[in-house]
Amino acid sequence: NAGVTQTPKFRVLKTGQSMTLLCAQDMNHEYMYWYRQDPGMGLRLIHYSVGEGTTAKGEVPDGYNVSRLKKQNFLLGLESAAPSQTSVYFCASIPTQGAEAFFGQGTRLTVV
Amino acid sequence: QQQVKQSPQSLIVQKGGISIINCAYENTAFDYFPWYQQFPGKGPALLIAIRPDVSEKKEGRFTISFNKSAKQFSLHIMDSQPGDSATYFCAARRVFIGTASKLTFGTGTRLQVTL
Repeated sequence: NAGVTQTPKFRVLKTGQSMTLLCAQDMNHEYMYWYRQDPGMGLRLIHYSVGEGTTAKGEVPDGYNVSRLKKQNFLLGLESAAPSQTSVYFCASIPTQGAEAFFGQGTRLTVV
Repeated sequence: QQQVKQSPQSLIVQKGGISIINCAYENTAFDYFPWYQQFPGKGPALLIAIRPDVSEKKEGRFTISFNKSAKQFSLHIMDSQPGDSATYFCAARRVFIGTASKLTFGTGTRLQVTL
């Protein structure tokens, strides 16, 4: 069982570059989420999706965009990376009738 | 605004001791309170969870105590083991009608269990 898979696992970007983080889940979950984890700040919600073709803003959405063209995939984009976006990014999914969030292994992004 | 406050930030416990991590919340709309365990380089994984109509839940060495009136809940790890060394996050869920539920996380507690 793959569960939630994130790619890439590590990335270094220069300020102003763009990139896309991919999250794929094979559990047929409706709800998907992108979080960022920073020391002393826990996990903060960036964007989320309640189903294919839908997205919504979370707690810290500025500087990020998302798309969910297929139910199993949730993409997080950085159009113009900034050093403040250096973080570990986690994708999670939750089934419609469930409560447990299943997380990927994270993407460590450094913006220099 | 930190809706879920977690303490302590770090904790060192001797093997066999009891580890206690505390969380407090503000929003009474939260309806589910999970604890997640995270090992270095891994994503968080659900450890144990409780709903507000229950005051205590125990699973093996892990117990959640819940005080609804005080809006506080805590994780107790009995007979702590070196393998329990990890970062622990409390969280609280709010369900929004017609849309997804949202988890709000505490800031995390780094637990180290020494020999």
